[in-house]
Amino acid sequence: GAVVSQHPSRVICKSGTSVKIECRSLDFQATTMFWYRQFPKQSLMLMATSNEGSKATYEQGVEKDKFLINHASLTLSTLTVTSAHPEDSSFYICSASDSTGTDTQYFGPGTRLTVL
Amino acid sequence: QKEVEQDPGPLSVPEGAIVSLNCTYSNSAFQYFMWYRQYSRKGPELLMYTYSSGNKEDGRFTAQVDKSSKYISLFIRDSQPSDSATYLCAMSKTGNTPLVFGKGTRLSVIA
Repeated sequence: GAVVSQHPSRVICKSGTSVKIECRSLDFQATTMFWYRQFPKQSLMLMATSNEGSKATYEQGVEKDKFLINHASLTLSTLTVTSAHPEDSSFYICSASDSTGTDTQYFGPGTRLTVL
Repeated sequence: QKEVEQDPGPLSVPEGAIVSLNCTYSNSAFQYFMWYRQYSRKGPELLMYTYSSGNKEDGRFTAQVDKSSKYISLFIRDSQPSDSATYLCAMSKTGNTPLVFGKGTRLSVIA
């Protein structure tokens, strides 16, 4: 099956620093990737849709200057949390859409961000 | 009314039981329906994928979609303790549009 990886799996940082999270589709090309955030015991909330070679589309209420998304290639999208604060602590999960197959979305293992 | 409704549970069943998980939705434009399993502190894992209405079976899992009723189900036969997880239904209008998730149902299978 299609595999999506994320790096790092866990990160702890000080308030005010920036953190970059990578999302890679390992064995397929993904023209579209999605970034979700999940708080404890809550469902996944879509943050933004990332299209290769173009600007990301952000959901209402998500600050695009705080959550920078870059989709530089068909296999890599990055999410940078700038000037992170404790309220940004969450589980960040990406998914990639296999546009050559069934258009199913496959999820990465997630990145747990803790901001002290 | 939320776009996708799913009872969060928790649902506790004995090993070997048949489990029925359900979601309802309000947007008739949804065409793709998925069930994901998520273990604690892990990313969601795709279990079943269905396009439009109908049934799909894969091992112990059966997914059903009834578009006329806007109702989808996941059945787990011969449930095992390893099935204990949160099950999320998700749906989308096309393959490249964002998924809309249910809240997830937490399932515990007791040995």
